[in-house]
Amino acid sequence: GIQVEQSPPDLILQEGANSTLRCNFSDSVNNLQWFHQNPWGQLINLFYIPSGTKQNGRLSATTVATERYSLLYISSSQTTDSGVYFCAVDLARRNSGAGSYQLTFGKGTKLSVIP
Amino acid sequence: DTAVSQTPKYLVTQMGNDKSIKCEQNLGHDTMYWYKQDSKKFLKIMFSYNNKELIINETVPNRFSPKSPDKAHLNLHINSLELGDSAVYFCASSQPGRAGGGNEQFFGPGTRLTVL
Repeated sequence: GIQVEQSPPDLILQEGANSTLRCNFSDSVNNLQWFHQNPWGQLINLFYIPSGTKQNGRLSATTVATERYSLLYISSSQTTDSGVYFCAVDLARRNSGAGSYQLTFGKGTKLSVIP
Repeated sequence: DTAVSQTPKYLVTQMGNDKSIKCEQNLGHDTMYWYKQDSKKFLKIMFSYNNKELIINETVPNRFSPKSPDKAHLNLHINSLELGDSAVYFCASSQPGRAGGGNEQFFGPGTRLTVL
């Protein structure tokens, strides 16, 4: 199956600092999502980004599908950014049934933002 | 309104019991999923299902079974619970092929299952 590797596994930032999280994947994908799992366990959708660049406030993401990686940028980090950031991909083939669209997750990057 | 909801939020039970977790989505999606998050925070697909096709991850024991009374609901039944079933279970839904959104999946709040 597809391999999804995230780096770094752990990251500690001073409030206000910037950071870049990386996701490498081993095969062509049709879907790539970034999630934030907050300290209460909720999985929050950040970006749906199989290719290209998107921005949402202090967060932005870039996926270079041909080189099989995606980056998540966090600028001016805040303590509320703390949690685990997951990258997830699926290999759904366009002519397959809908049931084959299953996400494979990386192991996550645990981010701690300290005041 | 909550897009994907799960009940209960917490479930504590004894080994050997049978339990169910309910999931409902009000997004009008055709496909629903169950994922398991273990104690190391690793998330893994268990099932994906629409009204035509059920795909079961081969590593899921047959004690686990999804049941869908209608398109908006996908419940998870677990028989003969074991200690190793303790985890957080997430339900998700998506609409594959939707223009602009591809197959973006949306997750419920999770159900923390503890087997004693």
